[in-house]
Amino acid sequence: DVKVTQSSRYLVKRTGEKVFLECVQDMDHENMFWYRQDPGLGLRLIYFSYDVKMKEKGDIPEGYSVSREKKERFSLILESASTNQTSMYLCASSYQGGTEAFFGQGTRLTVV
Amino acid sequence: AQSVTQPDIHITVSEGASLELRCNYSYGATPYLFWYVQSPGQGLQLLLKYFSGDTLVQGIKGFEAEFKRSQSSFNLRKPSVHWSDAAEYFCAVVPSRGSYIPTFGRGTSLIVHP
Repeated sequence: DVKVTQSSRYLVKRTGEKVFLECVQDMDHENMFWYRQDPGLGLRLIYFSYDVKMKEKGDIPEGYSVSREKKERFSLILESASTNQTSMYLCASSYQGGTEAFFGQGTRLTVV
Repeated sequence: AQSVTQPDIHITVSEGASLELRCNYSYGATPYLFWYVQSPGQGLQLLLKYFSGDTLVQGIKGFEAEFKRSQSSFNLRKPSVHWSDAAEYFCAVVPSRGSYIPTFGRGTSLIVHP
């Protein structure tokens, strides 16, 4: 069974902390994505990666960075967490040819 | 830029009633089209997809969707809703050429009354 695993379901962090959200997929997918989900706004793309060490900005990259050192792992980094980054974060992956995206269970991050 | 519109933020139906969730997209060429469902506190699960061919596609859990090129629509339907269908539903498009990045609508929250 295909799987995208996010390291934490719930996180509580303090303002100014550096936060790492980890995502691992076991499907050998080339593409990986980080989305942020807020009520009424749907899913907004933060960053995506189409290969190891490759990354592209999405629609809302400010305040975030990413790392992809291995094909199966895609990390989202909040350099200095702020309260407006409190949200649900969803990781997804897909094959290069544009088939459906597979999602992790999400990480609900609260910044206090 | 491509966009996806789900005009209904919330929809309330009675259990056993039929359901239609609307989705319109804006894109230069016919993209790949998807419907996902999200249960509370969970990630997104694929319900069905359209790439080409037959414009009526069947998915899991008794859902179907119809692609209408002339209306740039991909509406989701179910003939008889069950209480367990209460969830958030997202329409998504992926360009058929180029970046292959999914773009999502804002979602429709389905409430099912007993």
